[in-house]
Amino acid sequence: DAGVIQSPRHEVTEMGQEVTLRCKPISGHNSLFWYRQTMMRGLELLIYFNNNVPIDDSGMPEDRFSAKMPNASFSTLKIQPSEPRDSAVYFCASSYWDRTYEQYFGPGTRLTVT
Amino acid sequence: QKEVEQDPGPLSVPEGAIVSLNCTYSNSAFQYFMWYRQYSRKGPELLMYTYSSGNKEDGRFTAQVDKSSKYISLFIRDSQPSDSATYLCAMVNTGNQFYFGTGTSLTVIP
Repeated sequence: DAGVIQSPRHEVTEMGQEVTLRCKPISGHNSLFWYRQTMMRGLELLIYFNNNVPIDDSGMPEDRFSAKMPNASFSTLKIQPSEPRDSAVYFCASSYWDRTYEQYFGPGTRLTVT
Repeated sequence: QKEVEQDPGPLSVPEGAIVSLNCTYSNSAFQYFMWYRQYSRKGPELLMYTYSSGNKEDGRFTAQVDKSSKYISLFIRDSQPSDSATYLCAMVNTGNQFYFGTGTSLTVIP
């Protein structure tokens, strides 16, 4: 298995621009998680999906952030408009729905907003 | 008070030493306890998980949970330079909410 795939690996954008991060979970996994990691705040759960349905989005910082999972093999996290404080590493992870304690992480997308 | 507290370190030990990494937590509803290892510029990698209290061993790694003290530990025996990484504890409660510690940076010196 290829593991969780994320793209792009690096993104540099200017404040105010739209940013879209992409994730392909491990085949067969039906739970998907989006995290943000910074030095100051560590790893924070933004949102997670079960069977393509958002279950908990309480970690999404504000309305500028949105996430979708149109099918079992693809998810996006969008930031519009982006701000410098959004600069972080964004991770996607996946698991089986009944084994959410066993998550597999992607390599992350390093986002820099100038 | 944070749900999960973890000493950020950094921790530096000589090769072959026994390493002890720890986290404390405040929510008694946590039921799964995990340890992840994260190498620089990589995603976290699950090392092991335990359910409720007790010990679990996997090779040189032992995870320990003490629910009465709200304290979990990861022990690494015969530490190797390849163990140099950041170690994150994580917990899941009965409501399927996840919390990660901020991570402890470990360096094993050859």
